[in-house]
Amino acid sequence: AQTIHQWPVAEIKAVGSPLSLGCTIKGKSSPNLYWYWQATGGTLQQLFYSITVGQVESVVQLNLSASRPKDDQFILSTEKLLLSHSGFYLCAWSRGDNYAEQFFGPGTRLTVL
Amino acid sequence: QQQVRQSPQSLTVWEGETAILNCSYEDSTFNYFPWYQQFPGEGPALLISISSVSDKKEDGRFTIFFNKREKKLSLHITDSQPGDSATYFCAATNQGGSAKLIFGEGTKLTVSS
Repeated sequence: AQTIHQWPVAEIKAVGSPLSLGCTIKGKSSPNLYWYWQATGGTLQQLFYSITVGQVESVVQLNLSASRPKDDQFILSTEKLLLSHSGFYLCAWSRGDNYAEQFFGPGTRLTVL
Repeated sequence: QQQVRQSPQSLTVWEGETAILNCSYEDSTFNYFPWYQQFPGEGPALLISISSVSDKKEDGRFTIFFNKREKKLSLHITDSQPGDSATYFCAATNQGGSAKLIFGEGTKLTVSS
């Protein structure tokens, strides 16, 4: 069975500080990987997706970047946090032939003060 | 520009009733529509999905009805249970195109007993 782990569970950071969030998928080789952002009570906004190691596509520009250093790992980061970065960050995976049916991790709650 | 719209924003039904959640879209290239269920503080979970070549998809108490001509779909939850209380997101994508998945704003369902 596939499992998806996100770290950290929650973060409280200062405006202007750097950030790194991580996601690991176990039990699935060569998954498509995705990062989403969700404001409290809001919809899910897809930020990045990756079809293969080393390749990441940006969907929206939010002063964030993503990298896929290994087949099972996806990293979201920024050098300078903004207040608007607060929210719930979700990592997801899908099979290579089905972008729509995605499986989400437990998420990371980020508060920027 | 919101490409996927959901209504109502919130819905309350009694236990045992049928809840009907609506979704519409604008982009005619969308051809696959998953629905996700999200409980507070958790990542969304894939509930049921439909391809644009079908007009109905059923899975237990959950049924999607799809009208391609009107670009509308609906999720029917029969015999609603208090445990169904959650936020439901309709999403859309062009399966076979890019890996972008567009989510609606969500419908918050409350099932009262």
